Amino acid sequence: SYELTQPPSVSVSPGQTASITCSGDKLGDKYACWYQQKPGQSPVLVIYQDSKRPSGIPERFSGSNSGNTATLTISGTQAMDEADYYCQAWDSSIGWFGGGTKLTVL
Amino acid sequence: EVQLVESGGGLVQPGRSLRLSCAASGFTFDDYAMHWVRQAPGKGLEWVSGISWNSGSIGYADSVKGRFTISRDNAKNSLYLQMNSLRAEDTALYYCAKVDGDYAGGFDYWGQGTLVTVSS
Repeated sequence: SYELTQPPSVSVSPGQTASITCSGDKLGDKYACWYQQKPGQSPVLVIYQDSKRPSGIPERFSGSNSGNTATLTISGTQAMDEADYYCQAWDSSIGWFGGGTKLTVL
Repeated sequence: EVQLVESGGGLVQPGRSLRLSCAASGFTFDDYAMHWVRQAPGKGLEWVSGISWNSGSIGYADSVKGRFTISRDNAKNSLYLQMNSLRAEDTALYYCAKVDGDYAGGFDYWGQGTLVTVSS
């Protein structure tokens, strides 16, 4: 079994930088992905392979992964970024998600 | 345009079976691994099962191993999930998701989900 731990909630003021962490045993040895999910919608991939952005994802989204912690950083956070964010990684061909972090922009 | 459309959800009694389907279009289906991810009401995401492009690699979460079977038909551009011995804790919205490359990649496209409710 493998576990990914995220803070339940993070708050940020508009225009500021939000950081959401994801912790797991030797997570830095694996690739981490991040998903954004807004109420009533399917998840959207915002970061893959630790730090790559899919086409269409704004540059303000960035990611890093080292040691036991992956981090999603949103620079210049906008109201539209308010959502739940999930980290995800693979361990022995089994997929694991973090519990999710509710990002509030206020 | 990539489209993933799930179907087959519904209300089912505990212990019964259900088969979910996912119809894919807009990409070369047999080039990519596919997965099922579920989300219980008000809860987070849970990976359920995955299958490689040629069905050579298949994986299951411990919570469904031995009860669920994933399969695909590349000729029909379709993904399936046979769910047996259903339990109340299997109640969730089930998403079909495409991987952006190999089996263990990021899920770059998701369907809208099909709701499975297990209740007597």
